[in-house]
Amino acid sequence: EPEVTQTPSHQVTQMGQEVILRCVPISNHLYFYWYRQILGQKVEFLVSFYNNEISEKSEIFDDQFSVERPDGSNFTLKIRSTKLEDSAMYFCASSWERGGTDTQYFGPGTRLTVL
Amino acid sequence: DAKTTQPNSMESNEEEPVHLPCNHSTISGTDYIHWYRQLPSQGPEYVIHGLTSNVNNRMASLAIAEDRKSSTLILHRATLRDAAVYYCILRDVGGAQKLVFGQGTRLTINP
Repeated sequence: EPEVTQTPSHQVTQMGQEVILRCVPISNHLYFYWYRQILGQKVEFLVSFYNNEISEKSEIFDDQFSVERPDGSNFTLKIRSTKLEDSAMYFCASSWERGGTDTQYFGPGTRLTVL
Repeated sequence: DAKTTQPNSMESNEEEPVHLPCNHSTISGTDYIHWYRQLPSQGPEYVIHGLTSNVNNRMASLAIAEDRKSSTLILHRATLRDAAVYYCILRDVGGAQKLVFGQGTRLTINP
């Protein structure tokens, strides 16, 4: 069964450093997402991406964040200057369609620890 | 997306059926009812969705009230692997792409 993969599984970085989290969505999917989950809290939406542009973003997704689909398979989330409060699990997801009937498939997550 | 209300936690025994309720009294006519679950240390996982009629798949069944103001996710024979947080989420057919997760119901399965 096709699945979303994410690398690395765990990333440790120093505050102020840039990190890039990588995802390989399911190959024929068209919509891509990033979510995050701070330890013990809800899963929160960050951004959705379609047709090589951001289609929706949350208040969390400020200028420190960016997303890119550099080739036909990868989808990346970059945090330019990490803060302590960026420590969280980051989940990538993808779907074939949008709206009420779509199914989003999630990756296993990258645990980001900012020291 | 409209709001849903779920119990914070539920407990059941292995090999017994589990009924997970969700209230969505402000649901609109174009809202689909989706269920996702999150196993420990994993990403969310799609379970099932429906609009008006009851739905079955290999994982679960979804029973939707006639007035659509509530629904129940049914796990017919729970296993230890079904221990997870279950999220009931409403999605408008023409609405935003994002999933809005609440706190969900933490399901504990006793051996």
